[in-house]
Amino acid sequence: EPEVTQTPSHQVTQMGQEVILRCVPISNHLYFYWYRQILGQKVEFLVSFYNNEISEKSEIFDDQFSVERPDGSNFTLKIRSTKLEDSAMYFCASRTGRGLGNTIYFGEGSWLTVV
Amino acid sequence: DQQVKQNSPSLSVQEGRISILNCDYTNSMFDYFLWYKKYPAEGPTFLISISSIKDKNEDGRFTVFLNKSAKHLSLHIVPSQPGDSAVYFCAASVGGATNKLIFGTGTLLAVQP
Repeated sequence: EPEVTQTPSHQVTQMGQEVILRCVPISNHLYFYWYRQILGQKVEFLVSFYNNEISEKSEIFDDQFSVERPDGSNFTLKIRSTKLEDSAMYFCASRTGRGLGNTIYFGEGSWLTVV
Repeated sequence: DQQVKQNSPSLSVQEGRISILNCDYTNSMFDYFLWYKKYPAEGPTFLISISSIKDKNEDGRFTVFLNKSAKHLSLHIVPSQPGDSAVYFCAASVGGATNKLIFGTGTLLAVQP
């Protein structure tokens, strides 16, 4: 079964460092997302991406965050200068098309620890 | 702004019995609802969904019920199995270009053998 894959599975970084989380969405999918879950809290939407541009972003997704689809397969989330409160599990997700009935499929997550 | 709420943080059920997980929402614009299952340190796994034009959807042991007037949905698992033990999240979206999901806080289901 096709799946969304994410790397790294776990990363520890110093506060203020840049981090890039990588994702390979399901191959025929067109919409891409990043969500995150801070420990003990609910899963929160960060950003959606379609046709090589951001479709929507949440308040969390400030100027420190950026996304990119550098080639036909990868989808990355960059955090320019990490803060302690960025420590969370980051989930990449994708879906095939627009509208109802198109389920969003999630990757296994990248656990980011900022120290 | 808790648009999607799961008021029961945990539920314990005997193997073979029915598990009923509940979810309430406040945004009447939501038109698509999903249930995801999640194990620790893993991504949410899609279970079942329902659109607002329906009031019931079944898939094997899983049935989702939607009561739009009450803004309430529930997930029934029959019969419950120990492997069903996980955190269950309901999520909702508004039809549109992004269909971003708004998640509830989750319910930890423990199925006792």
